[in-house]
Amino acid sequence: GIQVEQSPPDLILQEGANSTLRCNFSDSVNNLQWFHQNPWGQLINLFYIPSGTKQNGRLSATTVATERYSLLYISSSQTTDSGVYFCAVKGGTYKYIFGTGTRLKVLA
Amino acid sequence: DTEVTQTPKHLVMGMTNKKSLKCEQHMGHRAMYWYKQKAKKPPELMFVYSYEKLSINESVPSRFSPECPNSSLLNLHLHALQPEDSALYLCASSQDAASGSQETQYFGPGTRLLVL
Repeated sequence: GIQVEQSPPDLILQEGANSTLRCNFSDSVNNLQWFHQNPWGQLINLFYIPSGTKQNGRLSATTVATERYSLLYISSSQTTDSGVYFCAVKGGTYKYIFGTGTRLKVLA
Repeated sequence: DTEVTQTPKHLVMGMTNKKSLKCEQHMGHRAMYWYKQKAKKPPELMFVYSYEKLSINESVPSRFSPECPNSSLLNLHLHALQPEDSALYLCASSQDAASGSQETQYFGPGTRLLVL
């Protein structure tokens, strides 16, 4: 099956700093999503981005499907950005596979 | 409305109990999913229902029994669980599980289960 690795596994930032999170996947995918899991466990959709670039406020994402990676950019980080960031991919029908996650802590 | 609801939020049960987790969505989605998430791990797929039929069972023990009574509801029946089954159980839905593209998965807030 498809392997999905994220880096870095852990990240600590000062408020206001920028960061880049990476998601590498081992095979072709036709669906890729980025999620933020808040401290209460809720998974919040950030982007549906199987290819190309999207922006939403301080967040943006780029997926280069031919090179099998996706990047999530967080600018001017805030303490509310803390949590775990997951990418999830889908290679065939039905099954989503989650990456290993990046645990982000933003310090005030 | 992109909301998926789950009840209960928390559940404590003994190993001999029978309980059920419930999930509901009103987005007209035809695919619904159960995931299990242990602490500090990513969610792991358990079951997928597509058009109210079970499409995927990821070799889940029979003490977990899913049910999809209609296109808006998904249940997970629990019986004779073990302490290692304690986890966050997440429900999700999407437009159509068989469609590879143009599909966003939406998650409920989860049920935190503790098995004593």
